[in-house]
Amino acid sequence: DGGITQSPKYLFRKEGQNVTLSCEQNLNHDAMYWYRQDPGQGLRLIYYSQIVNDFQKGDIAEGYSVSREKKESFPLTVTSAQKNPTAFYLCASTGTDQETQYFGPGTRLLVL
Amino acid sequence: SQKIEQNSEALNIQEGKTATLTCNYTNYSPAYLQWYRQDPGRGPVFLLLIRENEKEKRKERLKVTFDTTLKQSLFHITASQPADSATYLCALDKAPLNSGYSTLTFGKGTMLLVSP
Repeated sequence: DGGITQSPKYLFRKEGQNVTLSCEQNLNHDAMYWYRQDPGQGLRLIYYSQIVNDFQKGDIAEGYSVSREKKESFPLTVTSAQKNPTAFYLCASTGTDQETQYFGPGTRLLVL
Repeated sequence: SQKIEQNSEALNIQEGKTATLTCNYTNYSPAYLQWYRQDPGRGPVFLLLIRENEKEKRKERLKVTFDTTLKQSLFHITASQPADSATYLCALDKAPLNSGYSTLTFGKGTMLLVSP
């Protein structure tokens, strides 16, 4: 059963804490993406990666970091520098057409 | 600056009618445009892609048009059903310079409510 998984579904962060959101795909896709979605807002691109060991900043990369050590995995770290981290975070991937994006179920991050 | 606009107000229609959603854009020349469906608390799901040289695309009860002169796409759901109630997002490709690949820029979405 192929797809994208994200964990956890809900994540709570304390002030000054770094937290890491997991994204795994078994679709054999090269490209992976992280988006942030705020209520009533569109998806905004945080980071993306076209191949292993390479990634690029999106439109709102400040306060976030990523790694791409394996094709299947693209974890996102929300650092303490991100002052407004409460949002719904979505991970996506694209196949060889690099057009259609397949999304995971999302992680909702809340600040305590 | 580049902008994608979708109706922010929810569209309420009765079951069986045709729903029409609008996506307008400015300062873009996209090679293609996509429509996604998003249910509350879930990730978007791809529905249709239409390219700049295509006027219309159909898939079952869905139809998309793309007018690059008006810089507008219309998304139609015919014979709508309560199960079609969701938020519908349009997205345009945004190719980074010299990259050879594209990322997507999404509109804010329009909520569709189909009542029985």
